[in-house]
Amino acid sequence: EDQVTQSPEALRLQEGESSSLNCSYTVSGLRGLFWYRQDPGKGPEFLFTLYSAGEEKEKERLKATLTKKESFLHITAPKPEDSATYLCAVYNQAGTALIFGKGTTLSVSS
Amino acid sequence: DSGVTQTPKHLITATGQRVTLRCSPRSGDLSVYWYQQSLDQGLQFLIQYYNGEERAKGNILERFSAQQFPDLHSELNLSSLELGDSALYFCASSVRSGQGADTQYFGPGTRLTVL
Repeated sequence: EDQVTQSPEALRLQEGESSSLNCSYTVSGLRGLFWYRQDPGKGPEFLFTLYSAGEEKEKERLKATLTKKESFLHITAPKPEDSATYLCAVYNQAGTALIFGKGTTLSVSS
Repeated sequence: DSGVTQTPKHLITATGQRVTLRCSPRSGDLSVYWYQQSLDQGLQFLIQYYNGEERAKGNILERFSAQQFPDLHSELNLSSLELGDSALYFCASSVRSGQGADTQYFGPGTRLTVL
């Protein structure tokens, strides 16, 4: 069964305290792994797409990496405005829909 | 701003009623996807349309239906509403039919409250 699991469910950091979020997936024939950021009551905002193991992408304080079984979202020196829920998703085996993890809710305090 | 628009932002209605949610995809995108997000279930795929045709169905109830019009906007119809239908409903769009690995861009959502 196609599945995405994210950990931890919640993460509290001090401003400047770097950390990583994990996304593990099981799907046959990965068609891309997607990271989104979601603020409360808003739509998911696209961050990154990763297609193959070893690929890395960066945007400001965020860096996403991909292995054959999981992806990491590294947050370097986070700021309070990075507080949000981070969602990971992969396409199902048929390639017709995204399967989302339940997300990691990040809180960064100053 | 993703370029995907959804109306209305909020909808409050009673059990047993019917509502219509509207979505306009990004310019040039042919695929529209509908998702439901509730607190306990997370984001769940409902249905996909590509260039006016239904392409895939997920966990969509029989009381729910959708369509995509020639101008590519889409509507999600929810009928015989129940308390458990209260959720955020998101529309997303992508360029192609989803057979590849298209990035889906999400709209701001419609918050449905059923009383």
